[in-house]
Amino acid sequence: TQLLEQSPQFLSIQEGENLTVYCNSSSVFSSLQWYRQEPGEGPVLLVTVVTGGEVKKLKRLTFQFGDARKDSSLHITAAQTGDTGLYLCAGPYSGGGADGLTFGKGTHLIIQP
Amino acid sequence: DAGVIQSPRHEVTEMGQEVTLRCKPISGHNSLFWYRQTMMRGLELLIYFNNNVPIDDSGMPEDRFSAKMPNASFSTLKIQPSEPRDSAVYFCASSLVSLAGGLYNEQFFGPGTRLTVL
Repeated sequence: TQLLEQSPQFLSIQEGENLTVYCNSSSVFSSLQWYRQEPGEGPVLLVTVVTGGEVKKLKRLTFQFGDARKDSSLHITAAQTGDTGLYLCAGPYSGGGADGLTFGKGTHLIIQP
Repeated sequence: DAGVIQSPRHEVTEMGQEVTLRCKPISGHNSLFWYRQTMMRGLELLIYFNNNVPIDDSGMPEDRFSAKMPNASFSTLKIQPSEPRDSAVYFCASSLVSLAGGLYNEQFFGPGTRLTVL
């Protein structure tokens, strides 16, 4: 099983600050996804990155896929209280397609007002 | 459009009882996944189906767990007999995978069933 390690496990910062969370693996992934999960709900897909070195922006969120496709990062600019949640990275078990996903354990992010 | 529907949302049962969790995937999706989430182990894939056929059940922890997908709009995950260590949130997710294949699939998760086994 390909493992995904996320860091930090917990992060609490003030509103308006910037932050970066990481997702690392010793294995190469054909793609990586980032999900956000709020309490009592299922994860919701934020983005999928598929090309080594790719950078995708979603408003104040910037996602990067490592050149070797073994790691990814999520950077949030000017964090807001609404960004609070569990951020999960995930990758396909093997070639993708109809495969299930392997998830990291997530980063619990708290944005304080 | 309705998302993935799971029932019940909460289930409390006693050790040894049978538990059945239900899932209705998004209409038109051809893949369905069952996951389990705990604080200790995070989100773990249990089993997934493609076109109603089980593809990989290697994540099913024990023979006490079984899953079925009798048609494209319904799936069940059954635990018999249940044990306290089965307490977790169980998620169902669905996706649409094109016949031409693809590098990834975008999965849509239901709200989960919180199972507590006493």
